Amino acid sequence: ETGVTQSPTHLIKTRGQQVTLRCSSQSGHNTVSWYQQALGQGPQFIFQYYREEENGRGNFPPRFSGLQFPNYSSELNVNALELDDSALYLCASSLAPGHPVSNTEAFFGQGTRLTVV
Amino acid sequence: DQQVKQNSPSLSVQEGRISILNCDYTNSMFDYFLWYKKYPAEGPTFLISISSIKDKNEDGRFTVFLNKSAKHLSLHIVPSQPGDSAVYFCAASADQGAQKLVFGQGTRLTINP
Repeated sequence: ETGVTQSPTHLIKTRGQQVTLRCSSQSGHNTVSWYQQALGQGPQFIFQYYREEENGRGNFPPRFSGLQFPNYSSELNVNALELDDSALYLCASSLAPGHPVSNTEAFFGQGTRLTVV
Repeated sequence: DQQVKQNSPSLSVQEGRISILNCDYTNSMFDYFLWYKKYPAEGPTFLISISSIKDKNEDGRFTVFLNKSAKHLSLHIVPSQPGDSAVYFCAASADQGAQKLVFGQGTRLTINP
């Protein structure tokens, strides 16, 4: 078990609605990254938060947004949900970019399964 | 544009034999590579990694080989055990280690008794 917890584990939303997913990072980790894993695919990087600011973003539209709080926990918000947003959303926590041991310490939570109908 | 590719969606190996999972990449800026294992209803679990300055890294039953000129890496599991049955993802980073990872599509490994 990694110590990274995500909530909720499952969620069903209607197209056009908004959703907020939550992640608590592993103790001592101050960087949080979010990934989207569609069925049968590998996870895709959405964005990363470090020191409460976005620190890099993948190829996702602005309706995907996030927050990081002083305790390093994080939220992923998705507005105007589309059917294609149905996926497993994974949160990964790690030490700061450039930290000498950050190379191996990216621990994933169990994910939130979002279904958009 | 799939920068990291795992061309075998599935692999079946007999218990005790060697499992070899392959991964190809296209982005020459990638400088760190990782393998993750994923069981259903769980998040990916880190297995082993390798920096681009090395060509081999070993950890117990797991060995990762990197061929930079061919832009190819492989994961060897010896001996394979039933508990190794899972989906394996290859991931790459051009950003200081295990950050902003680019994943392959995964290979489902089944170990037969």
